[in-house]
Amino acid sequence: GESVGLHLPTLSVQEGDNSIINCAYSNSASDYFIWYKQESGKGPQFIIDIRSNMDKRQGQRVTVLLNKTVKHLSLQIAATQPGDSAVYFCAEIPSNFGNEKLTFGTGTRLTIIP
Amino acid sequence: DAGVTQSPTHLIKTRGQHVTLRCSPISGHKSVSWYQQVLGQGPQFIFQYYEKEERGRGNFPDRFSARQFPNYSSELNVNALLLGDSALYLCASSLARQTYEQYFGPGTRLTVT
Repeated sequence: GESVGLHLPTLSVQEGDNSIINCAYSNSASDYFIWYKQESGKGPQFIIDIRSNMDKRQGQRVTVLLNKTVKHLSLQIAATQPGDSAVYFCAEIPSNFGNEKLTFGTGTRLTIIP
Repeated sequence: DAGVTQSPTHLIKTRGQHVTLRCSPISGHKSVSWYQQVLGQGPQFIFQYYEKEERGRGNFPDRFSARQFPNYSSELNVNALLLGDSALYLCASSLARQTYEQYFGPGTRLTVT
């Protein structure tokens, strides 16, 4: 069945350092992947996305890497700031499902240490 | 610009009762999706509505139902509440059905006692 999982439930990083959050997915037919950030008391916030025909995509201080061979996704956050502290989710959309269904992983709690 | 809004923000119900949650999408967005997020887990897809019709349904019992109105706002209804229905219920809107970027509201925290 479809599942999206994360390797680590928690991650602590010193402010200013880079952080890497990993995600494994099992559905090789997934066409689209998204990283969301969820702060306490708020809904998930879109960070960056990547299509299955890409290996890498960069945004402002964030980079998403996709390794289809091992079905692995990662989110790199450069020069972390206190505001980066949140739970990060990866999510996938199967190619045969349009945008009707995002399948989320459990999430990784990132804590930035001042 | 207003984002996705949801009401109420918090709700406490008793087992067996019924609940209605409301969502207003971003202006111009025609697609609304509902997700359930149990504490410590990622959101789980419940429904998607587009142009007032159900376009997708997740693995939830028939106690869960929803509808979308002509102004694209939406309601999620849950009957015969169980303790396990306690969760954060999230609404997300997008421009159109085939648009991947969904914008989430702050959610409604439902507690069933």
